[in-house]
Amino acid sequence: DSGVTQTPKHLITATGQRVTLRCSPRSGDLSVYWYQQSLDQGLQFLIQYYNGEERAKGNILERFSAQQFPDLHSELNLSSLELGDSALYFCASSVGGVSGEAFFGQGTRLTVV
Amino acid sequence: KNEVEQSPQNLTAQEGEFITINCSYSVGISALHWLQQHPGGGIVSLFMLSSGKKKHGRLIATINIQEKHSSLHITASHPRDSAVYICAAYGGATNKLIFGTGTLLAVQP
Repeated sequence: DSGVTQTPKHLITATGQRVTLRCSPRSGDLSVYWYQQSLDQGLQFLIQYYNGEERAKGNILERFSAQQFPDLHSELNLSSLELGDSALYFCASSVGGVSGEAFFGQGTRLTVV
Repeated sequence: KNEVEQSPQNLTAQEGEFITINCSYSVGISALHWLQQHPGGGIVSLFMLSSGKKKHGRLIATINIQEKHSSLHITASHPRDSAVYICAAYGGATNKLIFGTGTLLAVQP
């Protein structure tokens, strides 16, 4: 158990819909990272938050947004979903930046039908 | 060309064999991570290293910063080592992890 909790574990939704994925980091970790893993793209970095502030942005679509709340949990919002958004979405947390060890959640498997 | 490349992409070994997975990167990095992803999908961080060598049980990771190359070794491999192994380079300037495409390892009894 990494200490990082992601919910839900599985999500099936229709095209055009909006979903919210949730991540609770390990106790004491200030950074939360979101990653997308699809069959054809492998693992891709989406976005990082550190203590409530956006720290780095990767290949995140404009239809996607994220935030980190005062209690340090984070949410990834995916809207106007397309079939190609079907993927595993991971969050990871670390005490500081990614130069330190990161701990991954179990992932949320999103299926868009 | 990917900034982080792994080889081999697929590897089948017999139980007990010594296994090496390689990772080469073209970006300047300050740290490199080795991750393990089991068939169920969960990802576990194995090592984070910025120089030299680290060992944890039967796993050894090395990095050569000058040659921009890292290796993950598994000694006395076991079927439970079957997983995808992913290296990820941390580029300090961008504060991002850049992932390799992974190596699918199957250890047969």
